[in-house]
Amino acid sequence: DTAVSQTPKYLVTQMGNDKSIKCEQNLGHDTMYWYKQDSKKFLKIMFSYNNKELIINETVPNRFSPKSPDKAHLNLHINSLELGDSAVYFCASSQDFGEFAYNSPLHFGNGTRLTVT
Amino acid sequence: RKEVEQDPGPFNVPEGATVAFNCTYSNSASQSFFWYRQDCRKEPKLLMSVYSSGNEDGRFTAQLNRASQYISLLIRDSKLSDSATYLCVVTRGGADSWGKLQFGAGTQVVVTP
Repeated sequence: DTAVSQTPKYLVTQMGNDKSIKCEQNLGHDTMYWYKQDSKKFLKIMFSYNNKELIINETVPNRFSPKSPDKAHLNLHINSLELGDSAVYFCASSQDFGEFAYNSPLHFGNGTRLTVT
Repeated sequence: RKEVEQDPGPFNVPEGATVAFNCTYSNSASQSFFWYRQDCRKEPKLLMSVYSSGNEDGRFTAQLNRASQYISLLIRDSKLSDSATYLCVVTRGGADSWGKLQFGAGTQVVVTP
């Protein structure tokens, strides 16, 4: 199946731990993203990579570090987890970026529900 | 003021009825507009892009009003499967906002038998 897949689907961990979420897309897209959806359902962009290059880095604590080993993968590592990090994290990809985004919809993974206790 | 605002609903709609709702955006430089659909505990999926002249896709009609800075979505002949949260998405305008999409918090639609 062609898709954006992310693992794990659920992640329950304690404050202070370090965790990683992995994302892979086999759609051949050039751009990948990490979004955070909080309890109020707002989806906020965190990072975006285009061909392995970081192009968007929103105001995100530096405890969050994305890594893109190749254009099909974008992983998210989180250090020293805090209660406020609890949210659903979505990976997404699109063929184009920026001014071409109009004809290039986002394809989302099915989300990672992170709960920090 | 939030960049993208939506009535959270829920809009309770009898099956077969028509429902419409709006989304307002604050940045007049926004260029591109979309409606995404998100089912409960699922990922968002693109429903349709919104073009300046308005556009239709089956039972769904989207409109853009740049003067008043809002977009709308109308669903005709509602089906039970239309029950979802509809997310308004706007590209941020301005030189520093290239490619960044701004999501609204969504409007929940519940279609009842």
